[in-house]
Amino acid sequence: NAGVMQNPRHLVRRRGQEARLRCSPMKGHSHVYWYRQLPEEGLKFMVYLQKENIIDESGMPKERFSAEFPKEGPSILRIQQVVRGDSAAYFCASSPPRQGGDTQYFGPGTRLTVL
Amino acid sequence: GDSVTQMEGPVTLSEEAFLTINCTYTATGYPSLFWYVQYPGEGLQLLLKATKADDKGSNKGFEATYRKETTSFHLEKGSVQVSDSAVYFCALSDHGSARQLTFGSGTQLTVLP
Repeated sequence: NAGVMQNPRHLVRRRGQEARLRCSPMKGHSHVYWYRQLPEEGLKFMVYLQKENIIDESGMPKERFSAEFPKEGPSILRIQQVVRGDSAAYFCASSPPRQGGDTQYFGPGTRLTVL
Repeated sequence: GDSVTQMEGPVTLSEEAFLTINCTYTATGYPSLFWYVQYPGEGLQLLLKATKADDKGSNKGFEATYRKETTSFHLEKGSVQVSDSAVYFCALSDHGSARQLTFGSGTQLTVLP
């Protein structure tokens, strides 16, 4: 069973460009979470999605950031008009439906660098 | 809100030394508790978990016991190896609808041969 997959692993953008980060959850997992890790810090929750629904976006910045998890295809975290402060590692995690427990399984992350 | 406080790092130990990384939490309900490990350049791997008071999680020689009375979940290993060098994160998950993980700031462990 393949783990959580994220791509790209590394992404370089110039200020003002858009960044799109993709996450494919583990097979059978219908819950996806995005976290951001700033240098030398722990992970901070951003958003929790199920298929076609945003369940909790309390950790998302109000502007420029959006996330989706369509019926078909990977979850996408989109950052518009990136700024230097967006440079971080972005991790996706997935978990099975509620009755399967609450353990989250993490992908390898996308390291975004904004020049 | 929920929070996790971890022992400040970095921690440097010699091989075969005893390891303790302290973790305490604040939560309104009865959370599940986790330890994740992050090797350089990689994502987080679940190390162990405990879902209720007095549960002991264990894996690869690491152990942690869910102590409700002291709101703690300290990570221990009796004899560390060089390959244990990594960053260790304590985390909690509430049992409400949000299910987000709240992480501590991480503890860098370096084990010297």
